[in-house]
Amino acid sequence: ETGVTQSPTHLIKTRGQQVTLRCSSQSGHNTVSWYQQALGQGPQFIFQYYREEENGRGNFPPRFSGLQFPNYSSELNVNALELDDSALYLCASSRGIASGANVLTFGAGSRLTVL
Amino acid sequence: ELKVEQNPLFLSMQEGKNYTIYCNYSTTSDRLYWYRQDPGKSLESLFVLLSNGAVKQEGRLMASLDTKARLSTLHITAAVHDLSATYFCAPQGGNQFYFGTGTSLTVIP
Repeated sequence: ETGVTQSPTHLIKTRGQQVTLRCSSQSGHNTVSWYQQALGQGPQFIFQYYREEENGRGNFPPRFSGLQFPNYSSELNVNALELDDSALYLCASSRGIASGANVLTFGAGSRLTVL
Repeated sequence: ELKVEQNPLFLSMQEGKNYTIYCNYSTTSDRLYWYRQDPGKSLESLFVLLSNGAVKQEGRLMASLDTKARLSTLHITAAVHDLSATYFCAPQGGNQFYFGTGTSLTVIP
């Protein structure tokens, strides 16, 4: 089975620009979550998508938005980039929000640098 | 909001020694996950703990969960160099996993 794939792996933007990050979920997974990991920190929850709808959001401003597509892939969009947005953005997929273990399978991440 | 505290943050240990990493969290959670992250890499799932008293073991690692004390431990037995990595605990609250700041483990030959 294929794992979670993310693109691009690295990118550099300047303040005020916009960025789109992409994620393909693992086969058989229908839920996608996005996390931001700043250097030396643990991942912080941005939001989750299930059945193409946002299904929970962390403490991130509205300029962080997302989409999920019918094939369960997902995009993370960040508008009006700020220096503090520099981080590793991790996409994680899982089988769903039903009861039972909900192990997240993470992709390798997209490293965003904002100058 | 669920707060997670891991200690120690940094751990340097000799091969063959035992040690325990502690994960305390602030509010009730019945599910807790442990992940490993190698430098520059993504997170790899190690353990899923789904109930009070749960204990899971894989090789030299053993994880436990005490939901009443809001405490999970990751015990390392007879450490080897390959275990050098950063370890995160993540209790689940709703749809969200709350990650600690991680414990950076270095095993010295």
